[in-house]
Amino acid sequence: ILNVEQSPQSLHVQEGDSTNFTCSFPSSNFYALHWYRWETAKSPEALFVMTLNGDEKKKGRISATLNTKEGYSYLYIKGSQPEDSATYLCAFYQGGSEKLVFGKGTKLTVNP
Amino acid sequence: NAGVMQNPRHLVRRRGQEARLRCSPMKGHSHVYWYRQLPEEGLKFMVYLQKENIIDESGMPKERFSAEFPKEGPSILRIQQVVRGDSAAYFCASSLGQMNTEAFFGQGTRLTVV
Repeated sequence: ILNVEQSPQSLHVQEGDSTNFTCSFPSSNFYALHWYRWETAKSPEALFVMTLNGDEKKKGRISATLNTKEGYSYLYIKGSQPEDSATYLCAFYQGGSEKLVFGKGTKLTVNP
Repeated sequence: NAGVMQNPRHLVRRRGQEARLRCSPMKGHSHVYWYRQLPEEGLKFMVYLQKENIIDESGMPKERFSAEFPKEGPSILRIQQVVRGDSAAYFCASSLGQMNTEAFFGQGTRLTVV
């Protein structure tokens, strides 16, 4: 059974704070790690797809790192804004399996 | 280029009826994934299909649930003889290929069984 764990489950920060959350996944047969942003009443939107150990990706104020040997990825948000409020999902694709397995997400609330 | 289209957005069925959920992938995408979101749960994988083929259905209950992705037309997730526990949001995603590329999600179908 593939287990993808995200922490924390929820997070409240003030506008302007920087924050980060963690995604843990099995370290064997790594193929790809995805991050998605899911706003209420919308569909999940891809932020990053990461495939290489040590990979770092950035999109505006959001960045992510990947450690496939120890099985974790961090998502960072610099200078959080209220519009960053959403649930952030990570999803793991293991070589040999045919499915993208999601964590339960980290729900971020940014207070103005 | 329209995104992933799911319909209906909301579906109400009485216990014992059939529910049909449709998903039209993005243009050019031949890989479709169905996920179920239960209250307080994340997205749970159900089935992965390519055109005319079921690749992995390990997340789909063996009874009452079936999925298809025909050569022409949308992918269909079919739930026969629905029960209250089937009430959930069902999301479809499509991608160009295997999951080293991003998946694009539809807005989901919320099924309520009364």
